[in-house]
Amino acid sequence: AQSVTQPDIHITVSEGASLELRCNYSYGATPYLFWYVQSPGQGLQLLLKYFSGDTLVQGIKGFEAEFKRSQSSFNLRKPSVHWSDAAEYFCAVAFNTNAGKSTFGDGTTLTVKP
Amino acid sequence: GAVVSQHPSWVICKSGTSVKIECRSLDFQATTMFWYRQFPKQSLMLMATSNEGSKATYEQGVEKDKFLINHASLTLSTLTVTSAHPEDSSFYICSPGAGPNTEAFFGQGTRLTVV
Repeated sequence: AQSVTQPDIHITVSEGASLELRCNYSYGATPYLFWYVQSPGQGLQLLLKYFSGDTLVQGIKGFEAEFKRSQSSFNLRKPSVHWSDAAEYFCAVAFNTNAGKSTFGDGTTLTVKP
Repeated sequence: GAVVSQHPSWVICKSGTSVKIECRSLDFQATTMFWYRQFPKQSLMLMATSNEGSKATYEQGVEKDKFLINHASLTLSTLTVTSAHPEDSSFYICSPGAGPNTEAFFGQGTRLTVV
């Protein structure tokens, strides 16, 4: 069965600092990979996705992620964090036939210090 | 992207009553709908998959008689929490089935509180 691991439960960074959120997956085939952001009490917003091709993908709000097959990783990065980035971040893996059926990591809570 | 409307966005009900949550795909036809549950400070867990015109498929540990799912049309799927108890309090999110090479779309979620 596929699984997703987000090793960091909680990360705190200063505003303006760089950010990297880790995601590792276990899946028997080439996965569809996603990063979502969730503000308190809100639904999910897609930040970026990887299906195939260029392993460095650009998303919204200045986020990017790099797919590394050899490490089974899909880490999310942002060069300069803004206070409004404080939220819960979820990495997810889906079957290539139906992205709606996803397996989610446990999430990483991002706190941004002024 | 696809528009998914979930209603209500929040509901408070008394223990023992039933609550119905609707999920509509507004601009496309969804033959499949995935229902997720998210407890506070936890991740989303898939509860069940509904298929238009047939019975839903439930994940292990999810009571099908408690969480009734109906997928009567290609644009509407409903989840009814029957005889709700405080432990059913959670955030419920729907997601229409997406085809290959497409992203997933999610409803806004429903915050259920059972008192």
